[in-house]
Amino acid sequence: ELKVEQNPLFLSMQEGKNYTIYCNYSTTSDRLYWYRQDPGKSLESLFVLLSNGAVKQEGRLMASLDTKARLSTLHITAAVHDLSATYFCAAFLNTDKLIFGTGTRLQVFP
Amino acid sequence: ETGVTQTPRHLVMGMTNKKSLKCEQHLGHNAMYWYKQSAKKPLELMFVYNFKEQTENNSVPSRFSPECPNSSHLFLHLHTLQPEDSALYLCASSQARGLASETQYFGPGTRLLVL
Repeated sequence: ELKVEQNPLFLSMQEGKNYTIYCNYSTTSDRLYWYRQDPGKSLESLFVLLSNGAVKQEGRLMASLDTKARLSTLHITAAVHDLSATYFCAAFLNTDKLIFGTGTRLQVFP
Repeated sequence: ETGVTQTPRHLVMGMTNKKSLKCEQHLGHNAMYWYKQSAKKPLELMFVYNFKEQTENNSVPSRFSPECPNSSHLFLHLHTLQPEDSALYLCASSQARGLASETQYFGPGTRLLVL
């Protein structure tokens, strides 16, 4: 059974600081997604990672994938308040099922 | 806006009521999904439709009944729900099931409260 675990579940960080959110998945998966959700809003797709070693960057966010370690990371550089949201990773099981992690609630304070 | 709309945005219903949730996508996609998001739980996939055919039912109780009349519309019919069914119900769409770079686009959700 594919399980996706994120840590930390809650993250409170100061503006300007760096931090990493970790996403571990339990069985083989060939696709890893990162989504952002603001309170009361839709999930917004951030990154799709399709191969081992894939790295994608958008603004202050960078995502990477290590399929051998079954690990994806979302790195936040010089955090700003606008990044406050809940971040979800999701891994694709071979039988076409997208399994979501529990989410990491990020709060950035001045 | 993601191109996926859901109505109503909020719904309060009694356990004996019958109601329906509606989802519409304006992206030309062929796959549509229903998810349940409960507090402190991961998103749970409920149903998948690909080209109007139901391809997945994740052991969802029969009090939830999906309907997909065409590739742009998806309904979730609700009847005799339980209080534990209270959650945020999210609809999503993607180009088609099984594409290598498939990304799902989510609607804003319907916040359901069952009394």
